[in-house]
Formats: sequence, structure tokens, C-alpha cells
Amino acid sequence: QQQVKQSPQSLIVQKGGIPIINCAYENTAFDYFPWYQQFPGKGPALLIAIRPDVSEKKEGRFTISFNKSAKQFSLHIMDSQPGDSATYFCAARGTGSARQLTFGSGTQLTVLP
Amino acid sequence: DAGITQSPRHKVTETGTPVTLRCHQTENHRYMYWYRQDPGHGLRLIHYSYGVKDTDKGEVSDGYSVSRSKTEDFLLTLESATSSQTSVYFCAISDSFYGYTFGSGTRLTVV
Repeated sequence: QQQVKQSPQSLIVQKGGIPIINCAYENTAFDYFPWYQQFPGKGPALLIAIRPDVSEKKEGRFTISFNKSAKQFSLHIMDSQPGDSATYFCAARGTGSARQLTFGSGTQLTVLP
Repeated sequence: DAGITQSPRHKVTETGTPVTLRCHQTENHRYMYWYRQDPGHGLRLIHYSYGVKDTDKGEVSDGYSVSRSKTEDFLLTLESATSSQTSVYFCAISDSFYGYTFGSGTRLTVV
């Protein structure tokens, strides 16, 4: 019943590379698409988010690209650093009473020095 | 994480034992959520609350119950723990719909 599909499951890049993580959703009622970053032993933390009326959003080295017609969105990390090594989750917010987030399955990113 | 505390951080329990996990917030946020995190499944919603005594089921609610008698506390209970409930449990809070704040998690092992 997964409504948000995330790929790849794991990703290894060299320092300075540009890892790209992709997500696709099925429910057109989603209205907000955040990305979360999680370090080992910690809870996920909001990294960047986008609304479906915007095609791209940049915050520092992180960029979300959004394709509403294809129901896909992706995270790009420019000039990646070893400190970016973490697990990344995409998510989509529903329009129900409590605006629940549905998460992708996660991508474990390793940035080699 | 600031404003949200989960307890205990780690717990080992035996199959068939009831277990209660606690989430406490100091942010006065209306919405609270319980998720479980398992490899390959990401974060899956167990139950959520949209106010005191107002709760509803999420995607994986079987075997779990919740209670929220005060704004600041959201309890998750495993009535009779099973090995399939071994997981990391995260509580999250939200007020303005624009993002969750997660707790640090509870690692539960059912033996």
C-alpha cells in the first residue's frame, strides 16, 4: 500500500559529487512534499520541502525538483560532503484531518572523502 | 530534540508482555503521531492524534493502541508484544502543517 516510492535504496558518491534521490507518488491529493535527513541514532529532521505549484526549490546545497504531471520529485545535493552521509526520506502530506505524512522507504547516502 | 521527549530510549521485553511508550512535548502542538521505522519500509504511521482524546488509526495500527489525555502526552501501548513489533518507534509533533518535529526514538526489542 506504499503510496510514495523512493529510489535508490543506497547511494555512494565521492566528495563533491551530486547525489540524486528520486521519489514518485500515486495520490494526487498530496499537497506538500518534504524531505527529511536522519543520522544514526537520531530522529529524522526536516531538510527542505516544496509545494506542488513550484517546480524547483533551493536551500543552500540542497535542491528539490518537482514534476507534477509525472507525479515525481527528486532531491539533489550539490558539492556533497562526508557530513551529508545519512539516510534521506521523501514524504508527501495528505489532506486528511491530521495532515499525515506518508514516507518513502529511505535512501542511505554515503559520501566518501 | 528540543520540545519532544520519548521514553524509554531502549527497552527489551518478552513476547506477550504489555508495553507502553511515552511521548512528551512542551510545544503545545495540536497534532501528535507515532511511527515505526523498519529497514526497507521507511517510516510507517501507527496512530495519530489531532487533539486531546481525539485519535485515529494509521497504516499499521493492528496490535497497538494509543491514548492522549493531555495535550503534552501521547502514549503508545502494545497490548501483548510480539516479535514482529521489534522496531524503532518515533513520535512526531506538528502544529502548522508545515513539518514534523521528531523525537529521538525508542528502540524496542521483543524476545
